[in-house]
Amino acid sequence: GAVVSQHPSWVICKSGTSVKIECRSLDFQATTMFWYRQFPKQSLMLMATSNEGSKATYEQGVEKDKFLINHASLTLSTLTVTSAHPEDSSFYICSARVAGGSDEQFFGPGTRLTVL
Amino acid sequence: KQEVTQIPAALSVPEGENLVLNCSFTDSAIYNLQWFRQDPGKGLTSLLLIQSSQREQTSGRLNASLDKSSGRSTLYIAASQPGDSATYLCAVKGEDSNYQLIWGAGTKLIIKP
Repeated sequence: GAVVSQHPSWVICKSGTSVKIECRSLDFQATTMFWYRQFPKQSLMLMATSNEGSKATYEQGVEKDKFLINHASLTLSTLTVTSAHPEDSSFYICSARVAGGSDEQFFGPGTRLTVL
Repeated sequence: KQEVTQIPAALSVPEGENLVLNCSFTDSAIYNLQWFRQDPGKGLTSLLLIQSSQREQTSGRLNASLDKSSGRSTLYIAASQPGDSATYLCAVKGEDSNYQLIWGAGTKLIIKP
């Protein structure tokens, strides 16, 4: 149980386009989902915390207008990278916390974004 | 502000050896500590989660210990195998209501056949 999926697993796009990444909890409801980005050979950096039905909380330095997060249901959160540029190329990972469960987070397999 | 450090940054050992990975944290007021494994270009696999009230957790050849007062955790891997090669990350969650995890930079482990 507690499986989190991400789609797509990888995406290549042109500079200036927008890219949407989906994070789904497959067998549980997640009131809270987290979005991370990871640069090569570095650890994870929390971008934002997403709560179902409310606005996401962004970490300092993360542009909320550039990284749009929508958590419309208890099983789906989306991250849209708007007007992507090469510096946005990174590995994006989401995690989900079980509603009413422990504090343990379950992680998705990640999405590799490459902006040309 | 909580800071998590992992030493060493990289480790290469022959197959079959027992090894220890270290994780230290500056604020002992933690709720839990978790060890993860990440293969190149992949997501995270949770290995062990230790609650603040616990001293250790075991799963197969893995044993994680927690000394909250000294701000240290170790991940012990017995009889290492080439398939154990990966980056190992530790993360702590504070005692406050924020669910944010604070991450170490990871230890890249290579097990030589």
